[in-house]
Formats: sequence, C-alpha cells, structure tokens
Amino acid sequence: EVQLVESGGGLVQPGGSLRLSCAASGFTFSSYWMHWVRQAPGKGLVWVSRINSDGSSTSYADSVKGRFTISRDNAKNTLYLQMNSLRAEDTAVYYCARVNYYDSSGYPKKLYYYMDVWGKGTTVTVSS
Amino acid sequence: DIQMTQSPSSLSASVGDRVTISCRASQSISSYLNWYQQKPGKAPKLLIYAASSLQSGVPSRFSGSGSGTDFSLTISSLQPEDFATYYCQQSYSLFTFGPGTKVDIK
Repeated sequence: EVQLVESGGGLVQPGGSLRLSCAASGFTFSSYWMHWVRQAPGKGLVWVSRINSDGSSTSYADSVKGRFTISRDNAKNTLYLQMNSLRAEDTAVYYCARVNYYDSSGYPKKLYYYMDVWGKGTTVTVSS
Repeated sequence: DIQMTQSPSSLSASVGDRVTISCRASQSISSYLNWYQQKPGKAPKLLIYAASSLQSGVPSRFSGSGSGTDFSLTISSLQPEDFATYYCQQSYSLFTFGPGTKVDIK
C-alpha cells in the first residue's frame, strides 16, 4: 500500500525548533518530488516547501524562507522539515504529499503536476 | 506569485443537486489546475488533475473544465459523501491553493 506517515509534531514555545518526519512506503520514494503543505486551524491549505527527487533542489514559501529547511534521506525513505524560529502563526497541521505528473504526450510536451498521495498530517502548536 | 480565488466560498445544496464551483487564477495557467476534496479532520484527496482529468477511483459524477484563468468543478448529482470542502490548486508555478469552497447540506 502506498503510504505517507508524518511524525514529530507537538507543542513548542515561540522561537523554538521542531523537526517533522514523513515516512514513505509502498512506492519508490527516490523517484518522486515531495512537498509539505500546512493548514492552520479552521483555515485553508497552504503550500510550504518542496524538494526534488535527489534532494539537490528546494523551494520555500516566503512565509517560512530562512526559517524552515526541507530535506530527504532516500536510503531511509524519509522526508524531513526542520522548523526553526517558530512563530504562533506556524501553528497548523502539516501534511507531506507526493507529487506525480501527467504527460500530455502532445507537442509541445507538457507535464502536469499534482499531489496524489498525502499523509494524515501531524499537528504543530506554537504557544507559550 | 499566482493567486487563486474560488467562488462561492460556501454553498448549501441537497442530495441529487448539480453543483458547480468556480476557480480563477491571477494569470493564465493553461490547464495546470487540480481539484481536491477535504473532509473535516482528514487529508485532502485528489479529484481532478490537468483541469479535466479524473483521478483513478474518483466517481464520474465529478468533472472539471476550463483553461487559461477560469476553471470549474462540477458534481453532477450530489451524494451524501460529497459534503466537504473543495480546493483548486495551480501547478503552473510551484503550487498555490485557492481558499476553498465548503459544500454543506441544505
């Protein structure tokens, strides 16, 4: 079964740090780009960060740039999100998601990306 | 950055109704548009990718259309399990989600 399982969430004080993990199983983890998406209580989905398949390229939302670091260990089939200098507004459920693509096979070639596998999420609460 | 808007923000409908949700991008995104369904306390579920392609296992009552800046998700006959929040997402430049449309029971 294709599965993503997040862990590492919890209660942390403002200014603190936390590392989230996302364990992948049932597919060739090293072949896929991976993302983190978060959802504050009662709010919508917000893209946070992404990493390419070999970990050589990363991107971040402006709201977390310089504070969060995404990484992966393909030998352990695990994605990480290191969160530093946490703020109250970082309080959210954090989801990891696998990105797949559809090849239109037309000309010019177009690849359409989408998040097809999601974990159940892990909750991060930043509060004193 | 590409901004996404959705309308309406919420709607009330009955089982069997035809429901349409709109999504608009702040610039042309071709067909780089996905739709997700989320139920309370659950992870999002992919419904439609590339604007109109139905994800495997998703009922055929769900359909997507549009290109450029204007898109729509249609549920042809609303079922009890379809009451949820629906999000559009652009994948033209990284990913951006719309604010969501909550579909509840009339």
